[in-house]
Amino acid sequence: KAGVTQTPRYLIKTRGQQVTLSCSPISGHRSVSWYQQTPGQGLQFLFEYFSETQRNKGNFPGRFSGRQFSNSRSEMNVSTLELGDSALYLCASSLRGLGLGYEKLFFGSGTQLSVL
Amino acid sequence: AQTVTQSQPEMSVQEAETVTLSCTYDTSESDYYLFWYKQPPSRQMILVIRQEAYKQQNATENRFSVNFQKAAKSFSLKISDSQLGDAAMYFCALGTASKLTFGTGTRLQVTL
Repeated sequence: KAGVTQTPRYLIKTRGQQVTLSCSPISGHRSVSWYQQTPGQGLQFLFEYFSETQRNKGNFPGRFSGRQFSNSRSEMNVSTLELGDSALYLCASSLRGLGLGYEKLFFGSGTQLSVL
Repeated sequence: AQTVTQSQPEMSVQEAETVTLSCTYDTSESDYYLFWYKQPPSRQMILVIRQEAYKQQNATENRFSVNFQKAAKSFSLKISDSQLGDAAMYFCALGTASKLTFGTGTRLQVTL
């Protein structure tokens, strides 16, 4: 079974632009969650999607948004990029989606976003 | 509020020796889970071990075991017979139904 796939692996953007990141979960997994990882702030939860609905949301501004498609694939969008958005963005999936913090998460290798 | 504290930014262990990584947490929830995740240089986080808070028995996965002290809100990870492949960042995490909070991580070096 293929693991969680995130594309692209690396991305360079300039301030003010917008970006879309993609995540394909493990086949059959229903929940997809997104995380931002930076050296200063560590790993922070962005949002979780389950059955195409945002079920949980972290403490990030509205510039960060996401969606989930009927095949469970998910996209994350950041509009009006700021320098502070430079980070590794990780996506994770879980099988049953019983609760964000209950199940084992399977992570992708992330998208490294650099904002210049 | 839900917090996770890892007080050891870096640890070092010799191959074949045992090392313990510390983690303390705080939550007002009664139903929660605790995790240790490993992040090697490949960046992909991998679950090491998972503990249900309602279970008193400490979880074990091969060379990895935890010391879960619920009253003290402590959840340490013991790695026995350390191997070079254990070198990575280790993150402690606290999960509830709607939140998942990570600690700041401990970088583990394994020396020959």
